[in-house]
Amino acid sequence: QQQVKQSPQSLIVQKGGISIINCAYENTAFDYFPWYQQFPGKGPALLIAIRPDVSEKKEGRFTISFNKSAKQFSLHIMDSQPGDSATYFCAATVWGNTGKLIFGQGTTLQVKP
Amino acid sequence: GAGVSQTPSNKVTEKGKYVELRCDPISGHTALYWYRQSLGQGPEFLIYFQGTGAADDSGLPNDRFFAVRPEGSVSTLKIQRTERGDSAVYLCASSLNGRSSYEQYFGPGTRLTVT
Repeated sequence: QQQVKQSPQSLIVQKGGISIINCAYENTAFDYFPWYQQFPGKGPALLIAIRPDVSEKKEGRFTISFNKSAKQFSLHIMDSQPGDSATYFCAATVWGNTGKLIFGQGTTLQVKP
Repeated sequence: GAGVSQTPSNKVTEKGKYVELRCDPISGHTALYWYRQSLGQGPEFLIYFQGTGAADDSGLPNDRFFAVRPEGSVSTLKIQRTERGDSAVYLCASSLNGRSSYEQYFGPGTRLTVT
């Protein structure tokens, strides 16, 4: 019940295209859903996050879509750039608890020039 | 300002040895987390400190793993009798306050290799 399932495992997109990564969760107590970006040899860095009181959040080229009834959320990267090539992780936690994050398995994104 | 730092960046040890991994969180951050990231996987939670106390150690895999944060700042993850399966990147993260500020800032990690 603590799992967060992420797909696809890898993704190749042309420059300027849209990258879409999906996550699904089981624990209905989860109420904070961040996305992290990780470059090789670096720690994960927070990209964007959402709480379930909204269905969408946009920051620049990055958008989270959230479907509470389906227990799914997704990251959309618009106008994907080669510099976006990295591994992306979705995560979930319970607000007001310890803040420990449950991560998905990760998606390796390659944006071709 | 300075981010989360971890030392060493790489550690190679023999099976059965004891290792210590250090984390320096961002100054003023009261919450500190340890995660373990195996190759090709997402980070897995190990332990959470709020101040000096371990508020949640439910992710520690067994009693060979132990962590301390004696003065509420620097933390040390200690692994006894290391096994090859302990090989992974150990990540440390800190946040302003674990309960009300969920932006966790991660360090670059310590890559542990047990031979």
